[in-house]
Amino acid sequence: QQQVKQSPQSLIVQKGGISIINCAYENTAFDYFPWYQQFPGKGPALLIAIRPDVSEKKEGRFTISFNKSAKQFSLHIMDSQPGDSATYFCAASRDNNDMRFGAGTRLTVKP
Amino acid sequence: DTGVSQNPRHKITKRGQNVTFRCDPISEHNRLYWYRQTLGQGPEFLTYFQNEAQLEKSRLLSDRFSAERPKGSFSTLEIQRTEQGDSAMYLCASSLVGAKNIQYFGAGTRLSVL
Repeated sequence: QQQVKQSPQSLIVQKGGISIINCAYENTAFDYFPWYQQFPGKGPALLIAIRPDVSEKKEGRFTISFNKSAKQFSLHIMDSQPGDSATYFCAASRDNNDMRFGAGTRLTVKP
Repeated sequence: DTGVSQNPRHKITKRGQNVTFRCDPISEHNRLYWYRQTLGQGPEFLTYFQNEAQLEKSRLLSDRFSAERPKGSFSTLEIQRTEQGDSAMYLCASSLVGAKNIQYFGAGTRLSVL
């Protein structure tokens, strides 16, 4: 069932540093690649998303890089802050329907 | 609050009992999704509705699971004869087709089967 592989499982970054989380997918029919942020006791919240017709999308401190030929995409969090400490999930879907999620990366940003 | 609402937030039940969860989507959202999330894992897709029609069901959704969305608004997910392996967080999401179809998640119902 796992069609999206995410790494690393956990990540510790110093405040101000860059956090990088990677994902790889298998199904070439996927056409929507979102990243979700989840805090304990809350549901996932959409952070940023990309479609395969572009190689990069930036929103504030968050950037998605997308490599269609390698079937990989990554999330970069610039100037990481303690408030960014959460679990991050990549996902992939066709037309944003039955979304397949990665296993998650627990990010800790140390002050 | 106009977000996705799920009730109850927590449910503890004994093995073999039936449980039902409710999801109230964002008003006007025509799609509603159910996911299951176990500890340390990402959400796993279970099923989704467009209005009252159930359009897709995952193979994860065994015969003991049934979901309904009778009037195209709120939805219920029922698990019959619960098993310890059903213990998980059950998440609901809703979206509006045509408005980028972004899925907005509720806070989930945590089920513990003893």
